[in-house]
Amino acid sequence: GAGVSQSPSNKVTEKGKDVELRCDPISGHTALYWYRQSLGQGLEFLIYFQGNSAPDKSGLPSDRFSAERTGGSVSTLTIQRTQQEDSAVYLCASSFRTDYYEQYFGPGTRLTVT
Amino acid sequence: EDKVVQSPLSLVVHEGDTVTLNCSYEVTNFRSLLWYKQEKKAPTFLFMLTSSGIEKKSGRLSSILDKKELFSILNITATQTGDSAVYLCASNAGGTSYGKLTFGQGTILTVHP
Repeated sequence: GAGVSQSPSNKVTEKGKDVELRCDPISGHTALYWYRQSLGQGLEFLIYFQGNSAPDKSGLPSDRFSAERTGGSVSTLTIQRTQQEDSAVYLCASSFRTDYYEQYFGPGTRLTVT
Repeated sequence: EDKVVQSPLSLVVHEGDTVTLNCSYEVTNFRSLLWYKQEKKAPTFLFMLTSSGIEKKSGRLSSILDKKELFSILNITATQTGDSAVYLCASNAGGTSYGKLTFGQGTILTVHP
């Protein structure tokens, strides 16, 4: 079946603009996760959803970052007033549930803030 | 704060060699440890380990977890150039961190022909 999909695959934006990144999880997966991978850095957890609820937002770097999920499926990560340090690959993953189920990753969105 | 450390950070071998990648963790409310292979963008799932001493195997790859000593190893036998990638180890914890994966820095494996 289809894997996790993300769009756009690449996004170049000017500093100060808002961006929206989209994630379509694997069908039937109730849990959805956002991570960020900066150049030379490991994967950094941002937020996860169980259904449409986000029990853990602890990884969001600042209040410029927000995420939502509707209908228990598609999720959008929004970054307002982008800064150059926001440049990174944003990865989305999904799993059947959160407990003891492996997470499957999408191809990511490469965000470049100029 | 949960912590995952991988070693070595990079490794260069020749085809046919056997490699062992290491992952140690300090995690509150540990639930599972996962291994991923990252070649371009998307990490690809390899193994999830929850119990000590039980080896998981897939072809030339195998992995085992030691919950007493808090580490895991990933073995690759008869390496091929297609094994060249970054190998990521991640821990999953319960409690307030439920659902979150904490990743190590990764091991960059390069396999020369």
